[in-house]
Amino acid sequence: DTGVSQNPRHKITKRGQNVTFRCDPISEHNRLYWYRQTLGQGPEFLTYFQNEAQLEKSRLLSDRFSAERPKGSFSTLEIQRTEQGDSAMYLCASSWTSEETQYFGPGTRLLVL
Amino acid sequence: QKEVEQNSGPLSVPEGAIASLNCTYSDRVSQSFFWYRQYSGKSPELIMSIYSNGDKEDGRFTAQLNKASQYVSLLIRDSQPSDSATYLCAVNTYGQNFVFGPGTRLSVLP
Repeated sequence: DTGVSQNPRHKITKRGQNVTFRCDPISEHNRLYWYRQTLGQGPEFLTYFQNEAQLEKSRLLSDRFSAERPKGSFSTLEIQRTEQGDSAMYLCASSWTSEETQYFGPGTRLLVL
Repeated sequence: QKEVEQNSGPLSVPEGAIASLNCTYSDRVSQSFFWYRQYSGKSPELIMSIYSNGDKEDGRFTAQLNKASQYVSLLIRDSQPSDSATYLCAVNTYGQNFVFGPGTRLSVLP
């Protein structure tokens, strides 16, 4: 399978715990994006990488969120001290350039109890 | 604040009819436009991209772009129940990120 993969697919955690999600993009894609999506809304941009460099973070992203893309390959998104409002689908996408189609992974559904 | 607007729906059409989905955007210099389909509980999948004014056809799908009016639409001909999903419009400006609309829920009634 040469598409975007994400792990885990589902995560249930208690409020205050830390969680980490992983995304493996399409191998030749330079750009990697993280989005959050809640019910009835479109994907909301969180951050993106050009190779290993994190070029932009949404102003909506609190300090509890951090993302890395070591060596420009896979990426991780960590949420510290989770809150119930963090419950959402976290989507990863990758593309060759900023203008071209973004291909999405299956997402990680997070539920914070 | 760049915005992309869509009617949330639901838009209901009978099987075999044409479904028309609309999207407007606020950033006049936007250059790339995309339609994604998202089934409930799944991630978005690309239907079509369009970059130039006019129509672009792919099978039963036609995307229409009018940059002067800041408007992009998607027509689905011969709608099938399997087309029932949420359709997301995404707009991109060079060097910046995609902005997604809230999506339009389409229901194709057998």
